[in-house]
Amino acid sequence: DSGVTQTPKHLITATGQRVTLRCSPRSGDLSVYWYQQSLDQGLQFLIQYYNGEERAKGNILERFSAQQFPDLHSELNLSSLELGDSALYFCASSVGDRGYTEAFFGQGTRLTVV
Amino acid sequence: LAKTTQPISMDSYEGQEVNITCSHNNIATNDYITWYQQFPSQGPRFIIQGYKTKVTNEVASLFIPADRKSSTLSLPRVSLSDTAVYYCLVGDGVTGGGNKLTFGTGTQLKVEL
Repeated sequence: DSGVTQTPKHLITATGQRVTLRCSPRSGDLSVYWYQQSLDQGLQFLIQYYNGEERAKGNILERFSAQQFPDLHSELNLSSLELGDSALYFCASSVGDRGYTEAFFGQGTRLTVV
Repeated sequence: LAKTTQPISMDSYEGQEVNITCSHNNIATNDYITWYQQFPSQGPRFIIQGYKTKVTNEVASLFIPADRKSSTLSLPRVSLSDTAVYYCLVGDGVTGGGNKLTFGTGTQLKVEL
């Protein structure tokens, strides 16, 4: 158990809908990262927050947004869903915001868009 | 952004030592080298991290030459349970720049009996 909690574990929804994925980081970790992993694309970095502020941005679509709340949990909002958004979405957390801090990953949310 | 290059796949047998090399020619002075392991449908798991020379922990060793343009993850005496994808990452140690923790394509290690 990494200490990072993601909910829900599975999500099935229809095209055009909006969903929210939730992540609770390990106690004491200030950074939260979001990743998308689909079969044909590997692990794609989406966005990083550090202590409530956006710190780094990757290949995140405009239909996707995220935020980190004062209690440090984070939510990833996916809207106008398309079939291609079906993937495993991982959240990770770390103490710091640099490359030398170990990141701990949650078990992921499997999103299926039908 | 320091890019990494790894072999796409490797095969081994139980009990053998496996060495996976990663190339990172444009590594920055402040960057650390980190390796993660991922099993199917699970989140990646930290294995080991280093800056230079050699680092060893209970599961692996990491060898980094003086120029730091490559690194080698060494797994001693692998077992079937070591079958996984192994990722080499180079940290974006840019002041104030955040940490994109960019994963490459990784190396699929398959261990057989």
